[in-house]
Amino acid sequence: GENVEQHPSTLSVQEGDSAVIKCTYSDSASNYFPWYKQELGKRPQLIIDIRSNVGEKKDQRIAVTLNKTAKHFSLHITETQPEDSAVYFCAPKAAGNKLTFGGGTRVLVKP
Amino acid sequence: NAGVTQTPKFQVLKTGQSMTLQCAQDMNHNSMYWYRQDPGMGLRLIYYSASEGTTDKGEVPNGYNVSRLNKREFSLRLESAAPSQTSVYFCASSEERQGYEQFFGPGTRLTVL
Repeated sequence: GENVEQHPSTLSVQEGDSAVIKCTYSDSASNYFPWYKQELGKRPQLIIDIRSNVGEKKDQRIAVTLNKTAKHFSLHITETQPEDSAVYFCAPKAAGNKLTFGGGTRVLVKP
Repeated sequence: NAGVTQTPKFQVLKTGQSMTLQCAQDMNHNSMYWYRQDPGMGLRLIYYSASEGTTDKGEVPNGYNVSRLNKREFSLRLESAAPSQTSVYFCASSEERQGYEQFFGPGTRLTVL
């Protein structure tokens, strides 16, 4: 099955700085690459995703970049704000509709 | 439009007891999933159902059974609960024709003593 790793596991940034989380995966057949955000005590929610035929996608302060050759994709958050504090999960999809979730990155934005 | 709903929100069981976690979605999605999330960890897939009438094992199916009752409902049963099954359980649904985004329910926090 798919092996997914996220780095770092925790990330502390000053408000206004940028944050980058990297996700590596093992299955070369993976073709969909989402990032989910989970606030404390809440359900995970999709914040951005990218398909395998696209290298980068932006949505306001967040972006995802994909390197299929190296089998990794990254979440970029610019101008971080306190409400960005949460746990972020990558969840690449290989065959079928199943997602494989990474272990999560806890982001703390310090005011 | 309630999205994905789960019952109960909280449950405490004694070792050996059984229970069923209920999940329903009103988005007309074909695929439904059950995950467990242990403290400080990611989500691990227990079982999933690609369409009504089909179910398949995920990464951690041992100790669980599922039933896809109809297109809306997907239940998870613990026949003989063990302390190792203490976790937060999330149900999710998706529809391939609308992309692969999974929509999650609010979760059930289960403690097995």
